[in-house]
Amino acid sequence: GAGVSQSPSNKVTEKGKDVELRCDPISGHTALYWYRQSLGQGLEFLIYFQGNSAPDKSGLPSDRFSAERTGGSVSTLTIQRTQQEDSAVYLCATERAGGPYEQYFGPGTRLTVT
Amino acid sequence: GENVEQHPSTLSVQEGDSAVIKCTYSDSASNYFPWYKQELGKRPQLIIDIRSNVGEKKDQRIAVTLNKTAKHFSLHITETQPEDSAVYFCAARSGGSYIPTFGRGTSLIVHP
Repeated sequence: GAGVSQSPSNKVTEKGKDVELRCDPISGHTALYWYRQSLGQGLEFLIYFQGNSAPDKSGLPSDRFSAERTGGSVSTLTIQRTQQEDSAVYLCATERAGGPYEQYFGPGTRLTVT
Repeated sequence: GENVEQHPSTLSVQEGDSAVIKCTYSDSASNYFPWYKQELGKRPQLIIDIRSNVGEKKDQRIAVTLNKTAKHFSLHITETQPEDSAVYFCAARSGGSYIPTFGRGTSLIVHP
């Protein structure tokens, strides 16, 4: 079946602009995670969604970052008033219920803030 | 919270040699330990995982060992090949938490 997809694959934006990053999960996967990966660095947890429960936002670095997950499926990560330090690859991962199980990652969105 | 340390940060080996990457964790409640491989420009993909009720798991040239007492686990790759070159991430996850804690990654370079 189809894997996790993300769009856009690349995004270049000017400092101060808002951006929206999209994640389409594997059908039936109830858990969805957003991570940030700076160049040559590890995976920084941002936010976690599980079904209809309130999301765990403990990893969001500032109030400029927010995320939604509509209908338990597609998720959007929004960064307002982007800063140069927001430049990174943003990865989405999903997991089936009842875990812990393998996380399936999307290809990521490379964000460059100029 | 959980803290995962991964070593070494870079590992260079000759084709055919073995490679070992080690991780330590702090939370004794952690019970799931996956390893992900990330090739350059690609997404991370699971290569092997182990749960706390077993001490070792093998899959062809890859094995993972877990020492719960010492709170460390290791990835072993035998007969390395150039296509094994990638960044490898370990992670630990507690049954009480839905969020895995990742190590900082090991860049493995296999020289032909």
